[in-house]
Amino acid sequence: EVQLVESGGGLVQPGGSLRLTCGASSSTFSSYWMHWVRQAPGEGLVWVSGINTDGSNTRYADSVKGRFTISRDNAKNTLYLQMNSLRAEDTAVYYCARADCSSASCYGSYYYGMDVWGQGTTVTVSS
Amino acid sequence: EIVMTQSPATLSVSPGERATLSCRASQSVSSNLAWYQQKPGQAPRLLIYGASRRATGIPARFSGSGSGTEFTLTISSLQSEDFAVYYCQQYNNWPPLTFGGGTKVEIK
Repeated sequence: EVQLVESGGGLVQPGGSLRLTCGASSSTFSSYWMHWVRQAPGEGLVWVSGINTDGSNTRYADSVKGRFTISRDNAKNTLYLQMNSLRAEDTAVYYCARADCSSASCYGSYYYGMDVWGQGTTVTVSS
Repeated sequence: EIVMTQSPATLSVSPGERATLSCRASQSVSSNLAWYQQKPGQAPRLLIYGASRRATGIPARFSGSGSGTEFTLTISSLQSEDFAVYYCQQYNNWPPLTFGGGTKVEIK
């Protein structure tokens, strides 16, 4: 069974940067869209960003657009989230998640949900 | 952006009883809706996709229904391990993928 393990979280000052990493245990990593989802303390789930199988298609929530960059290295089975210009409201647990999709697309009825999640890594933005 | 609204915020149910959770979309999402379960300190777990299709390994007591803007997750007979927070998510029109605010199912 594939596992996802996040790392890179920590305490950072407002305006600072962090890079999150999500390592996958399976070589099938390259066949899946991947996403980052965050959860502020005591709050619900919020989608942050997604990336297609070869990294050529990236999507962002408006709240992070221009500040965060998602990328992947399929040779290393690794997903990244570079976070710059961090704000207090970015404080959250960040999860990486695999999206199960058809080979044709990852939109609409071709998307089968986020079926594998990491355990999360905590990012705290505070002075 | 499609806004997902879940109700009730908290549902108190006795073990063995049925639980019915609702999710409403601000515009039609067809059947492109998923449900997730999250227990304290854990990552979410996929339960349902396509509004009514159970994910791999999900017990038959979990069922989803609905289309368009109104959706329901039903847990037919609550087990102790089912007390958790449940989120719906639309993927009909993204970005952004959007989640509902969650329904907490607690022991009555």
